[in-house]
Amino acid sequence: DAKTTQPPSMDCAEGRAANLPCNHSTISGNEYVYWYRQIHSQGPQYIIHGLKNNETNEMASLIITEDRKSSTLILPHATLRDTAVYYCIVRVRPGNTGKLIFGQGTTLQVKP
Amino acid sequence: GAVVSQHPSWVICKSGTSVKIECRSLDFQATTMFWYRQFPKQSLMLMATSNEGSKATYEQGVEKDKFLINHASLTLSTLTVTSAHPEDSSFYICSARTGGRTGELFFGEGSRLTVL
Repeated sequence: DAKTTQPPSMDCAEGRAANLPCNHSTISGNEYVYWYRQIHSQGPQYIIHGLKNNETNEMASLIITEDRKSSTLILPHATLRDTAVYYCIVRVRPGNTGKLIFGQGTTLQVKP
Repeated sequence: GAVVSQHPSWVICKSGTSVKIECRSLDFQATTMFWYRQFPKQSLMLMATSNEGSKATYEQGVEKDKFLINHASLTLSTLTVTSAHPEDSSFYICSARTGGRTGELFFGEGSRLTVL
């Protein structure tokens, strides 16, 4: 699975959009971009995933560049409850084993 | 999304004892489950892949005799930390994969183990 690079931390004002970047320059054509988040002392929570096209669900939007070498997770109106570690993971779907390998992620701090 | 439940959510034990952690998929059958370990301020580290009806596959550096995994049914996998020591204190998290070609992964709430 391709390696991803994320900034270690970011701040965001409550009510503003949070834009979390992820670089995955070695992504292969059949690899998807997944985003999970982990709130302190809880298991990871699935947010969204995509292959080529931009995706949106009730939680977030995922913007993938045309060359697929980077992506951005957008939380349109961040709340204090969105404070968490956000993980960008690239993997084949469903993959030979389906396992997810986590990097260090981005710690997002939403401030009042 | 699908629900994965772990039990217990936290456990404290004495050094040298064994501790069993259960991972259940509540509303779907999971032929494959995964066990992770997470130390404070670190990311999740994959320990092993648990396959129903067969032996688990362990990641490099994980002692299979130390961390016993049993996946006896399509909804239950257990992780037993044998002869636990303080360095085994950690947050253990399981995930389960829904079936089919597009099966997604869902995570349990985690189990915090403290070994005294």
